[in-house]
Amino acid sequence: AQSVTQPDIHITVSEGVSLELRCNYSYGATPYLFWYVQSPGQGLQLLLKYFSGDTLVQGIKGFEAEFKRSQSSFNLRKPSVHWSDAAEYFCAVGATSGTYKYIFGTGTRLKVLA
Amino acid sequence: SQTIHQWPATLVQPVGSPLSLECTVEGTSNPNLYWYRQAAGRGLQLLFYSVGIGQISSEVPQNLSASRPQDRQFILSSKKLLLSDSGFYLCAWKQGAGQPQHFGDGTRLSIL
Repeated sequence: AQSVTQPDIHITVSEGVSLELRCNYSYGATPYLFWYVQSPGQGLQLLLKYFSGDTLVQGIKGFEAEFKRSQSSFNLRKPSVHWSDAAEYFCAVGATSGTYKYIFGTGTRLKVLA
Repeated sequence: SQTIHQWPATLVQPVGSPLSLECTVEGTSNPNLYWYRQAAGRGLQLLFYSVGIGQISSEVPQNLSASRPQDRQFILSSKKLLLSDSGFYLCAWKQGAGQPQHFGDGTRLSIL
């Protein structure tokens, strides 16, 4: 069965600095990988997805993520954080066969200091 | 384009009362449908999912049930709400293997 870990519960950064949110997964093959963002009281919005191919994927809002098979990681990055990026971020993993379920991490809450 | 509608946005219910939350998807057919619950400051807990009309898979034994009476309609119900049923309920859909899930705006349920 697949699983996903987001090691950082809270992260605080200053506006304008670079950001990296960590995501590690466990699965016997290359899974489907996703990053979502959730603003308070809202649903989850898809930032980007990885299925196969180029290991660096670009998403919306200036985010990118890199799939590293050797490290079982799919970290989310942004070169320069804006105050509006303050939200909760979820990594999700889906098996490539045998189940319709996706497993979500427990989330990383990002605070941005002006 | 596809859209997902979830209502109501907020709901305050007394303990022991019934519950019905509705979710509908437009612009697609035969989607996979999901109900999640999100407790305050915590991740998403998958409650139910459905791959077709009348087909419901339950993930967690609990006080809730789900139904899919039509292809693009997914309903979450309870006969008698408990205090522990409070939370933020999210409906989601996806189309096909490997596709991302798309979420509704959620329902904030408070039990008094």
